[in-house]
Parts: sequence; C-alpha cells; structure tokens
Amino acid sequence: KAGVTQTPRYLIKTRGQQVTLSCSPISGHRSVSWYQQTPGQGLQFLFEYFSETQRNKGNFPGRFSGRQFSNSRSEMNVSTLELGDSALYLCASSLRESGHYNEQFFGPGTRLTVL
Amino acid sequence: KQEVTQIPAALSVPEGENLVLNCSFTDSAIYNLQWFRQDPGKGLTSLLLIQSSQREQTSGRLNASLDKSSGRSTLYIAASQPGDSATYLCAVRMAGNQFYFGTGTSLTVIP
Repeated sequence: KAGVTQTPRYLIKTRGQQVTLSCSPISGHRSVSWYQQTPGQGLQFLFEYFSETQRNKGNFPGRFSGRQFSNSRSEMNVSTLELGDSALYLCASSLRESGHYNEQFFGPGTRLTVL
Repeated sequence: KQEVTQIPAALSVPEGENLVLNCSFTDSAIYNLQWFRQDPGKGLTSLLLIQSSQREQTSGRLNASLDKSSGRSTLYIAASQPGDSATYLCAVRMAGNQFYFGTGTSLTVIP
C-alpha cells in the first residue's frame, strides 16, 4: 500500500507570494491533517479535513487555508508569505471511522523556505 | 490547553543498552497517545499507538506504557542499535481530534 505523498518536496518563495502544497493520503483514508514544524515551535496542528469539510483548526492566521477533494486529496494554501512561514509542512492521514480516531500516518513533508 | 513535555531533550547511549524515554502531559482527558520517530529532514514514522483505555503496547523491541491519571507515558527501547538514532516524539490526541506534540527526545546510539 502506498504511503502518504506530498508534493512538492521543496519550495523556495519570496515574501508576499502565495504557495499551494498538496497531500495524497493512503488509499482508503478519509482524514487529512496538516502540521507545521519549526525548530522554535516544534510541531503545531494547522487543520484537519474529513469528507471535504474542515473539522478542526489550530491557532493559525487566516492566511493559512486548505481544502479537500472528493478523492480525499488535500491542498494547503498560504497567502502573503512571511519569513516566519519557513518550515517543514507535514500532512498525515488516518481512517477516522465513525468518530473513532485511528493511527495517523505522516508524509515526508514539504520544506518551504521564504526569502 | 494541553502541554506535552519530553525528558530528556537529548540522550546518548552505547549500543546494546536498554533505555526509557519519557512523555508527560497536563490534561489527562486524552483520546489516545502515539509515539513517532523522525529522522533528520524527514517525516514522522509511527511506532506505537495506545488508546486511552490501554496500559501498554508492544512492537518488537519497543514497549510503550500509558498512565493517564498521572499524565505520563514511557517508551522503552530494548537492546538499542545505531539505527535507532533519531528524534522520538510523543503526541496526544484530545477529543475533537486536536493533536498535541511533545518537544521530542534526540537519541544517539553509539556503536
């Protein structure tokens, strides 16, 4: 079974630009969560999508948004990039059956550098 | 707000030694707890998942325990190997699917 895939693996952008990251979950997994990892703040939860709806949201500004498609693939968008947005962005998928929260499986991440 | 702490932040041991990594959390109303390892610049690999009703889980040389009432979990690694060198993270899931990660323990196993 293929794991969670994320594209692109590396991105370099400049301040003020916007960026879109993509995540394809494990086949059959309908929940996709996004996380930001930085040396200073560690791993922080951004949001979770399930059945094309955002179910949970972390404490991030509105510049961070996402969506999920009918095939469970998810995209995350960051607008008006700031230097502090430089981070490793990880997505994770899980089954999430009937409200039961299963094990999360992570992708390799997208390394975003904002210059 | 849930706070998850891992002690020690870094650990260096000789190959073959048994070791314990610690994870503590402030809010005991967790749904489950998951241990991960992360290699430099890579994503997270799931090691063990313990549901809130369970006391421990085992996988190969790894054993994780959970004491919800005291807000603690431990990850025991038996007969450590250089390939175990990585950062180990614990994460607690709360009702509502909020996920809180610990600060991580960087493990180095010396051959």
